[in-house]
Amino acid sequence: GQSLEQPSEVTAVEGAIVQINCTYQTSGFYGLSWYQQHDGGAPTFLSYNALDGLEETGRFSSFLSRSDSYGYLLLQELQMKDSASYFCAVRDRSEEGSTLGRLYFGRGTQLTVWP
Amino acid sequence: DAGVIQSPRHEVTEMGQEVTLRCKPISGHDYLFWYRQTMMRGLELLIYFNNNVPIDDSGMPEDRFSAKMPNASFSTLKIQPSEPRDSAVYFCVNGGRENEQFFGPGTRLTVL
Repeated sequence: GQSLEQPSEVTAVEGAIVQINCTYQTSGFYGLSWYQQHDGGAPTFLSYNALDGLEETGRFSSFLSRSDSYGYLLLQELQMKDSASYFCAVRDRSEEGSTLGRLYFGRGTQLTVWP
Repeated sequence: DAGVIQSPRHEVTEMGQEVTLRCKPISGHDYLFWYRQTMMRGLELLIYFNNNVPIDDSGMPEDRFSAKMPNASFSTLKIQPSEPRDSAVYFCVNGGRENEQFFGPGTRLTVL
């Protein structure tokens, strides 16, 4: 089956750097995504990695190692507004293999940024 | 584009009543997912469609749940009869390529 593991919570202070790790098990892996969700809101897309390596988008970077079934989200220059839940998600192939399959989410990491 | 639209945004109903959640996806995106989110179970996939065809409904908890997508512009998730344990936030999620998944604002359902 499919499973994703990420820490349940992380705390840091403004200006710091935080890394949120995600390990996964899935068949027919397409890619790893990261989503941010503020309290009371809907998850919003942050980044996507299909190939090994680091993808940078402003203060956020995401890394993937397919051979290790591992990825992380790196948040730099933390701001109070970054306090939210962060979900990793993997997409696999359908059972027949010809189309995109299910999108699986981890349980989320609650990030609290202190002043 | 207004993004994924869900209605109602909030629904409070009594146990045993029928509940219908609605979703208007983004035009031109082939995949539509229904998720529900609770503190206990996180984000659970209920069902997903590809080009309006249901592909995998193995996440639908029981026969009380049903979903339809009669056309590319509309999908419904129905619960009949509703139970208190169905209380959750239900998200309609839309996307095309594997890295483009857009969440609707969600419907917060409370079953008393």
